[in-house]
Amino acid sequence: EVVLTQSPGTLSLSPGDRATLHCRASHTVPSDYLAWFQERPGQAPRLLIFGASTRASDIPDRISGSGSGTDFTLSISRLEPEDFAVYFCQQYATSPYTFGQGTRLEIK
Amino acid sequence: QVQLRESGPGLVKPSGTLSLICNISGDSISSTSWWGWVRQPPGKGLEWIGQRHLIGGINYNPSLESRVTLSLDRSTNQVFLYLRSVTAADTAKYYCTRDFDLWGQGTRVTVSS
Repeated sequence: EVVLTQSPGTLSLSPGDRATLHCRASHTVPSDYLAWFQERPGQAPRLLIFGASTRASDIPDRISGSGSGTDFTLSISRLEPEDFAVYFCQQYATSPYTFGQGTRLEIK
Repeated sequence: QVQLRESGPGLVKPSGTLSLICNISGDSISSTSWWGWVRQPPGKGLEWIGQRHLIGGINYNPSLESRVTLSLDRSTNQVFLYLRSVTAADTAKYYCTRDFDLWGQGTRVTVSS
């Protein structure tokens, strides 16, 4: 099983700042089958990035993903109020598909 | 607009079977998508349960495979989750997904006597 470890656990920033979230895999994620999701309280998880760096539909270009192999990054520039949420990474290359434990992005 | 909506009993007794339905609107199970379930226990992260394709097969999380069944009904456009022999550890919010790019709002299930 591929274990995904996200860091930091909590990130405290202000609107307008840039957020950098990390996801490290215990094994290489083939073909960069790595996704990022946003979860807001009371809402369904929302796909942000798939294939490590491809934005999902209607995701603004201030949100970007990068990385390969075992190290992946989600970057969010010019933070807006609606960006403060919990973010999960997921690998969908190898069954069982697994998720990271999440990073909470909170307002400083 | 495609929407997924989960439904089912909010309370299941230990050793019983958890049965959930995902109603799909705005899309068809006969598409090329994988339909699946993910759960989130209180205060914990997301756990993939499994997924099924109408013509392509099925994948289950090995940790749940002995207790879980996923099925699709083309006539009613529904996805079903059955989880047998439940314990308190199965208490969670359960989400239906399409290819992980679309999720339902989720439904809470508590396992308790």
